[in-house]
Amino acid sequence: KNQVEQSPQSLIILEGKNCTLQCNYTVSPFSNLRWYKQDTGRGPVSLTIMTFSENTKSNGRYTATLDADTKQSSLHITASQLSDSASYICVVSDRGSTLGRLYFGRGTQLTVWP
Amino acid sequence: EADIYQTPRYLVIGTGKKITLECSQTMGHDKMYWYQQDPGMELHLIHYSYGVNSTEKGDLSSESTVSRIRTEHFPLTLESARPSHTSQYLCASSDPRAEQYFGPGTRLTVT
Repeated sequence: KNQVEQSPQSLIILEGKNCTLQCNYTVSPFSNLRWYKQDTGRGPVSLTIMTFSENTKSNGRYTATLDADTKQSSLHITASQLSDSASYICVVSDRGSTLGRLYFGRGTQLTVWP
Repeated sequence: EADIYQTPRYLVIGTGKKITLECSQTMGHDKMYWYQQDPGMELHLIHYSYGVNSTEKGDLSSESTVSRIRTEHFPLTLESARPSHTSQYLCASSDPRAEQYFGPGTRLTVT
């Protein structure tokens, strides 16, 4: 069964600290993996997208890594800011259909305290 | 910021009412999607469209219907709302690279 599991479910950190969010997936055949940021009451916004051959991709203070062999990904946030408080969603796409089926994790709810 | 819009942003209605959630995009994308998301849960695909006059049901069974008469417009309709329909509804469109762009969502409460 194609699944995407994220951990931790929630995380509280102090402003300026770093943190790492985890994503494990069982989606096959794998096409790409994306990380989205979803602010409360808003739609998700794409942070990074990685294909099978990419190990790491950065977007400002966000760095995503992908290990396609172990089917794990992580999102590292550096020097956190209050505006980083949001839900971070891992999304995996398969190659099995023309739709490019997306499998969503439940997200990690990050809270940054001053 | 993606050019995809949803109205209304918030809606509280009584049981049995008919409602239409609007979604429009100005990016010329052929593929559009409707997702349902409950608090703390993953997004579930309820409808999608490959283009004008093309609509399909998604993975999550839904009593809603959709139409795609124009490329930029993909409304979702509930003929008779029930409390079980209370949820957040997210519309999205995707570009040729399959990158999805989401609207701000409509939070629906059925009393």
